[in-house]
Amino acid sequence: DADVTQTPRNRITKTGKRIMLECSQTKGHDRMYWYRQDPGLGLRLIYYSFDVKDINKGEISDGYSVSRQAQAKFSLSLESAIPNQTALYFCATSDMGQSYGYTFGSGTRLTVV
Amino acid sequence: SQQGEEDPQALSIQEGENATMNCSYKTSINNLQWYRQNSGRGLVHLILIRSNEREKHSGRLRVTLDTSKKSSSLLITASRAADTASYFCATASGGNTGKLIFGQGTTLQVKP
Repeated sequence: DADVTQTPRNRITKTGKRIMLECSQTKGHDRMYWYRQDPGLGLRLIYYSFDVKDINKGEISDGYSVSRQAQAKFSLSLESAIPNQTALYFCATSDMGQSYGYTFGSGTRLTVV
Repeated sequence: SQQGEEDPQALSIQEGENATMNCSYKTSINNLQWYRQNSGRGLVHLILIRSNEREKHSGRLRVTLDTSKKSSSLLITASRAADTASYFCATASGGNTGKLIFGQGTTLQVKP
């Protein structure tokens, strides 16, 4: 099994719908992150969490919310999806010292029509 | 805003040649990391270099860091077709926040 699992892998949804992307990890890391990737823009940080009670906004949090249900689970929600949220979404984890970098999930490709 | 800017945006070489990618950043950092991404897949961590280090090696990878110029380079020696991917630099700064800011990436094509 993958260390960081994202579901679903692909999703097509309609404008205005609520959608949740889920992430679970078996690394035992406290820190979890959500990024989105758009062509030519690299990865941009949406939200990050250092533990269950510590959630922080990233650079592009508008239109998104998150929930850290447990140390191993971190979900991203789009309350009312819009077409410019069409992107590839990645969840990642790291240990506190970040000695070994991030471990990424395989990504969720989201299309909002 | 993007912290790292990578150069070139795209690079095409023959198998066996060396590939060099550069990354520049704007603010002081704790460490700089390089990642590889195969098409549409998750990123894979390659190497981390701390702000007090100048050079680091891992297999065919060599990373340098020049904090005075706020720049880093990734050298892949004796490239292989399997090295075809996008490569991203990412910087960690501002205390022990753990946040990484990614560059826009360099797309490397290695022709067999």
